Formats: sequence, C-alpha cells, structure tokens
Amino acid sequence: KNEVEQSPQNLTAQEGEFITINCSYSVGISALHWLQQHPGGGIVSLFMLSSGKKKHGRLIATINIQEKHSSLHITASHPRDSAVYICAVTDMDSNYQLIWGAGTKLIIKP
Amino acid sequence: GAGVSQSPSNKVTEKGKDVELRCDPISGHTALYWYRQRLGQGLEFLIYFQGNSAPDKSGLPSDRFSAERTGESVSTLTIQRTQQEDSAVYLCASSLNSGYNEQFFGPGTRLTVL
Repeated sequence: KNEVEQSPQNLTAQEGEFITINCSYSVGISALHWLQQHPGGGIVSLFMLSSGKKKHGRLIATINIQEKHSSLHITASHPRDSAVYICAVTDMDSNYQLIWGAGTKLIIKP
Repeated sequence: GAGVSQSPSNKVTEKGKDVELRCDPISGHTALYWYRQRLGQGLEFLIYFQGNSAPDKSGLPSDRFSAERTGESVSTLTIQRTQQEDSAVYLCASSLNSGYNEQFFGPGTRLTVL
C-alpha cells in the first residue's frame, strides 16, 4: 500500500463543474503539499498546509489531520485547469523529503 | 528572474556519453532537490542539498549519477556513461530551508539518450 494515495486517478468534467480531488496518507506528517503539473512538465506548488483550510482564487485545500485526509477543490472549473494534480507529504521523521502521490489527471472540457 | 532556472532545457545524447545538467536555485534558498520523472510516471527523488551539510544521496540510482552544489548556489547533476533508461525529465527544486519546505520547481531538463 502506498503511503500517499490519491483519488481519482483520472477525472474528466465539464467546464464550470465543482472538482474534488482526494488524498489520504498513512504516515505522520509535518505538512501536506498540493502541486500542479501542466502538460509540458512545469510543476507549481499550489498549497502547503498542516491544518485547516487554505484558499487561493478558485482553489481550496483542506486537511483533516485526525483522519489523515486532504482534499483539493476547484470551483467554477475551466479548461485551463486541466493538469495533473499531485499530493505530497513531508514525513514527520524527515523535514525535507516528500512522499509523493501518483497524481490525478484532470481534464476540463469546454 | 526570481524563479528556479535549469539548463539545458533539452538534451539529446548518445548512449555512453556523459551529460551535465545545471540548476540555479532561487537566491537565498538553502535547500535544493533533484528529481527524475520518467514519461507518464511520478517524481523520483534523487538528491538533496541543505546549506553546507552533507547531501542526502539516497535516491541516486547508480554510481553513474553524481551531483555537486557550490555553497548555496548553482548545482550540477552529472550522468556518466548514459543509458537509454536514463531518458527522463530531470527537475530541480529549491526551498527556503529544510524546516519551511515549500518547493519551487524549475522547468526541467528533458534528457533523451539515443
């Protein structure tokens, strides 16, 4: 069993839909990261959080430490949101190494 | 340019040749990471530098791979006697320090070994 699991693996939705991507982890963490990788490879850090909720534009990330679960939400989705969304955690025993999820490939159709 | 830069952006080489990939981190970032991403796969940790501490080389796949970093600035990843399985995108990331480790990624170097 992977230490960081994401679901769904692939998601296709229509423009305007509310999107939820889930991440569950099995290790103790000091932080959880959500990153975005566009076709062509560039990776952008979206959020780093250790508790509660963060919002940036149409993106919202939440984390439940007790349940070891995080969600990334996209409101009013747009074709430009099409990308791979990656969840990664900083293992509590290592303050620098990230344990990576496999990613969720999101396609938003116009 | 305030971001992480990498060069070259693309490198095509013949099997058996050596290649050197360069990463310029964000100024002031003491932590630097190298990752490898094969086509259709996730990121694979290679090596981590933090200030003047000994690097964590635990992710290097073989002794053909080595990396150096000059102080808290540029880093080079060297692959000797390249093999076709080395073909991948090599990504560099930097962060402010190891305790606050939001990572900022460079655009990557796409390496193709023929």
